[in-house]
Amino acid sequence: EAGVTQFPSHSVIEKGQTVTLRCDPISGHDNLYWYRRVMGKEIKFLLHFVKESKQDESGMPNNRFLAERTGGTYSTLKVQPAELEDSGVYFCASSQYINTEAFFGQGTRLTVV
Amino acid sequence: GIQVEQSPPDLILQEGANSTLRCNFSDSVNNLQWFHQNPWGQLINLFYIPSGTKQNGRLSATTVATERYSLLYISSSQTTDSGVYFCAGPGGSNYQLIWGAGTKLIIKP
Repeated sequence: EAGVTQFPSHSVIEKGQTVTLRCDPISGHDNLYWYRRVMGKEIKFLLHFVKESKQDESGMPNNRFLAERTGGTYSTLKVQPAELEDSGVYFCASSQYINTEAFFGQGTRLTVV
Repeated sequence: GIQVEQSPPDLILQEGANSTLRCNFSDSVNNLQWFHQNPWGQLINLFYIPSGTKQNGRLSATTVATERYSLLYISSSQTTDSGVYFCAGPGGSNYQLIWGAGTKLIIKP
């Protein structure tokens, strides 16, 4: 069984550009989460999908971030325009049910220069 | 929501040493996970351990839910164990994970 996969593994972009991160959850997992760790700080929750619906996006930092999960399968997280403080590692996780074990992808390291 | 505290924040050990990392929760949790973030930034699932003890090779974890803490044991440390160890438990309205600040472990050869 394939785990959670994220693309790309690393992205370097200039300030003001747009970047789109992708996450493919474990097949059959309705719950998909995005988290990020910036500047060596704590890992923070961004948002939660249940199938294609946004269940909770209280952790999204501002309107430069847009997440989608078309068809309830893979998800994308777009940052537009990117700022320096967006640099960090973005993690995606999926779980079969709420409050069960979450399986994480390898993360996408985003560097904004 | 819950708060998660990890200790120690930093730990430097010689290869072969044993270590114990601790995670305290401000409220009871029924779901707890340990992770290892390696030097390349990748996050690796270690344990899903709401209660009791689990072992996986040189690593083991114990959660005492009634006392709101969990311990991660690393025996016979290797340089590849270096990185940051996180614990996390559900604390949001939709049980999203709340994370500790991590323990940065450096294993010297």
